[in-house]
Amino acid sequence: DAKTTQPPSMDCAEGRAANLPCNHSTISGNEYVYWYRQIHSQGPQYIIHGLKNNETNEMASLIITEDRKSSTLILPHATLRDTAVYYCIVRVRDYYSGGGADGLTFGKGTHLIIQP
Amino acid sequence: DAMVIQNPRYQVTQFGKPVTLSCSQTLNHNVMYWYQQKSSQAPKLLFHYYDKDFNNEADTPDNFQSRRPNTSFCFLDIRSPGLGDAAMYLCATSRDLTTGNQPQHFGDGTRLSIL
Repeated sequence: DAKTTQPPSMDCAEGRAANLPCNHSTISGNEYVYWYRQIHSQGPQYIIHGLKNNETNEMASLIITEDRKSSTLILPHATLRDTAVYYCIVRVRDYYSGGGADGLTFGKGTHLIIQP
Repeated sequence: DAMVIQNPRYQVTQFGKPVTLSCSQTLNHNVMYWYQQKSSQAPKLLFHYYDKDFNNEADTPDNFQSRRPNTSFCFLDIRSPGLGDAAMYLCATSRDLTTGNQPQHFGDGTRLSIL
């Protein structure tokens, strides 16, 4: 089962910042937080990941709370092409210490709709 | 510039007729994965290869098999497809297993229909 909880859907106006929350209250110290998105009829696309510090790349920013029990993905200036399902996933830091499971366990994600 | 390539994008087969889906990668990654994504659901891992070592998920049906003849290619074989196997099949890669600090890279999938 997925170890994350996300709202099923969100709307955001084009040009505004989209803030997508994720709850991962049972995350352990050796697990990363990953974000992927899936645009209709395409494969999931990697966005960003982090362990405990906030991270930023050309696509988004990731804010992780100090207790690591939740995080927020920020798309700073949303466009219509950002309409997609966004998945927040926790992933074990070390394959061998995590019992050998290496695939991504996807939850239901958040369907983000960017409104013109 | 596609790095994980799945062919074909759409595949139609008959009930019970074996079908093979293919995936190739230009990243020279050690790990290749197959996921199944049914309509309106999230992707679900079927199995993965680390180099030549095959790792099956516990609940993956025996009807699903995989082959990895070399680093670049991986195949998904469905021996006797049933109507419930209609889905998008996604291939993904990652550089290695030894750390979680590596994203997986996905192809755009093959959508399989069963007649």
